[in-house]
Amino acid sequence: AQKVTQAQTEISVVEKEDVTLDCVYETRDTTYYLFWYKQPPSGELVFLIRRNSFDEQNEISGRYSWNFQKSTSSFNFTITASQVVDSAVYFCALSEANFNKFYFGSGTKLNVKP
Amino acid sequence: NAGVTQTPKFRVLKTGQSMTLLCAQDMNHEYMYWYRQDPGMGLRLIHYSVGEGTTAKGEVPDGYNVSRLKKQNFLLGLESAAPSQTSVYFCASSYGRGASQHFGDGTRLSIL
Repeated sequence: AQKVTQAQTEISVVEKEDVTLDCVYETRDTTYYLFWYKQPPSGELVFLIRRNSFDEQNEISGRYSWNFQKSTSSFNFTITASQVVDSAVYFCALSEANFNKFYFGSGTKLNVKP
Repeated sequence: NAGVTQTPKFRVLKTGQSMTLLCAQDMNHEYMYWYRQDPGMGLRLIHYSVGEGTTAKGEVPDGYNVSRLKKQNFLLGLESAAPSQTSVYFCASSYGRGASQHFGDGTRLSIL
């Protein structure tokens, strides 16, 4: 079974629209960490956010916000007023405290059109 | 600030050839990782290391070997390259378990 599922393969929006990228994870650990990374067309991987399993407080950073819900095992990412520069592949990832491995979702490609 | 540096950036190999990918980090991180990225599959962990002299298998270790002789370097080897190993390879490092990873720029490897 997939540890991290990003069901949306590709999303297209028009600039200034809001968009939410879904991430569902699976773990039996009580302590774990969740991440979002951005991969722009240039190919590098950019760290966006880290959340531990004990902190369910939602976070906002500029136009970005993250909604962590343990009850539904979801860690969704919303971009408000999207911009063309937000076009990228976004990856959600899970790290379990009892193991040293990282599990990445398959990614969601976001296309923001002008 | 170099961060994580991968060498080489591009390489073309023939089936059966061997090669080594080098990853170097200057952040004094304990943990290092090698991933491969294939279309539609995200990043899959090949091998990782939690400290100098240690290595462990990830999700897709077959056909690869690694070594961590120095804390700052993590080498990924392909002993006998196969076309199925055509991929983009990323190295990453982190302070420790649960910490965010810093990635290199990737190595695009094609095996003919």
